[in-house]
Amino acid sequence: GNSVTQMEGPVTLSEEAFLTINCTYTATGYPSLFWYVQYPGEGLQLLLKATKADDKGSNKGFEATYRKETTSFHLEKGSVQVSDSAVYFCALSDTTRGGGFKTIFGAGTRLFVKA
Amino acid sequence: DGGITQSPKYLFRKEGQNVTLSCEQNLNHDAMYWYRQDPGQGLRLIYYSQIVNDFQKGDIAEGYSVSREKKESFPLTVTSAQKNPTAFYLCASTPGTGGYGYTFGSGTRLTVV
Repeated sequence: GNSVTQMEGPVTLSEEAFLTINCTYTATGYPSLFWYVQYPGEGLQLLLKATKADDKGSNKGFEATYRKETTSFHLEKGSVQVSDSAVYFCALSDTTRGGGFKTIFGAGTRLFVKA
Repeated sequence: DGGITQSPKYLFRKEGQNVTLSCEQNLNHDAMYWYRQDPGQGLRLIYYSQIVNDFQKGDIAEGYSVSREKKESFPLTVTSAQKNPTAFYLCASTPGTGGYGYTFGSGTRLTVV
């Protein structure tokens, strides 16, 4: 079945450091891939997405490229800020009827950014 | 502004009680979902609905029930059969199938007292 694996946290960085959060997936079809962010006590917010191979999603300085050959969708940001401290979830949406049109989430990676 | 409203934000349940969590959206989205989130863990799907008057069980449906009588509303009832209901519950919606991504509500934190 479909699955998403992301790196365990927490990840602790200093302000202005480079961020990478790894995400790999397993899927039988042609999924869409997403990154969501969750701030304490809140729901998830869609951060970026990519719907086909080689697409790059980007938003608020974050980027991720849909790599079909390595089944990966790693999240990157060139210079993190304290306000980026949150939990980040990688997700896969199976767009086939056999997949039930459901989204599968990774376990989440907590990011702490120190001033 | 369009969005999803979950209420209440905090809910306390006594042993043996049923409680209902509200989820309303004004985005005109067809599909709606309920997820459960436990501390330090990812999201697990409870129920989902792709159209009015139809819904499907997710991965952890036991002890929960839903209805979808209106497009805008997808309430979740946590029954007394759910033995460990303390968790953060998230409602989400999406326009339909395909790579749209979810819009989430702000969640309801349920605690058994």
